[in-house]
Amino acid sequence: EDQVTQSPEALRLQEGESSSLNCSYTVSGLRGLFWYRQDPGKGPEFLFTLYSAGEEKEKERLKATLTKKESFLHITAPKPEDSATYLCAVQEHRGIKAAGNKLTFGGGTRVLVKP
Amino acid sequence: DTEVTQTPKHLVMGMTNKKSLKCEQHMGHRAMYWYKQKAKKPPELMFVYSYEKLSINESVPSRFSPECPNSSLLNLHLHALQPEDSALYLCASSRVGGSQTTYGYTFGSGTRLTVV
Repeated sequence: EDQVTQSPEALRLQEGESSSLNCSYTVSGLRGLFWYRQDPGKGPEFLFTLYSAGEEKEKERLKATLTKKESFLHITAPKPEDSATYLCAVQEHRGIKAAGNKLTFGGGTRVLVKP
Repeated sequence: DTEVTQTPKHLVMGMTNKKSLKCEQHMGHRAMYWYKQKAKKPPELMFVYSYEKLSINESVPSRFSPECPNSSLLNLHLHALQPEDSALYLCASSRVGGSQTTYGYTFGSGTRLTVV
């Protein structure tokens, strides 16, 4: 069964203080690893998809990287508007025809950026 | 149109009520999902529809009954719920992946359900 663990559970940063979030995963075969941002009471908002080890993607102050066992979400010079819960999710290979794209989510990291 | 629309946004229901949650998308996505999310917890998969057919049911109690009338609509029928069913119910959609490809979800904003 897929296992996805995120750390830390919560992160308090000063504005401009860069940091990284970790997502460790255990799957028999990774089809894709996804990062989402979720604001309170809202649905998750898609950020990135990573497919293979060594891959990197960037969007504004966020950069996601992937190894064979974990992914990192780097937040560079964060602003208060980057405060949110960041969710990592994985999809496993399930044979020739996947019955829908089931994602398994980690517990999330709650990020608070203070001005 | 790049949105998933869920209605209602908030719902309060008694344990003997019957209600329905609705989800709509017009992105041409042929996979649609229901997730349940409790406070400070990650979303948990309930159901997956692929090409309007139920493909995954994560052992959800029968008091939750999904329905996919067409490729744009997804419903979740609720009956005889318990207070512990109170949660944020999220609908999502995606393209259907193949053996070598996968696609991320587009989520709706959710329905906040309170069972009293």
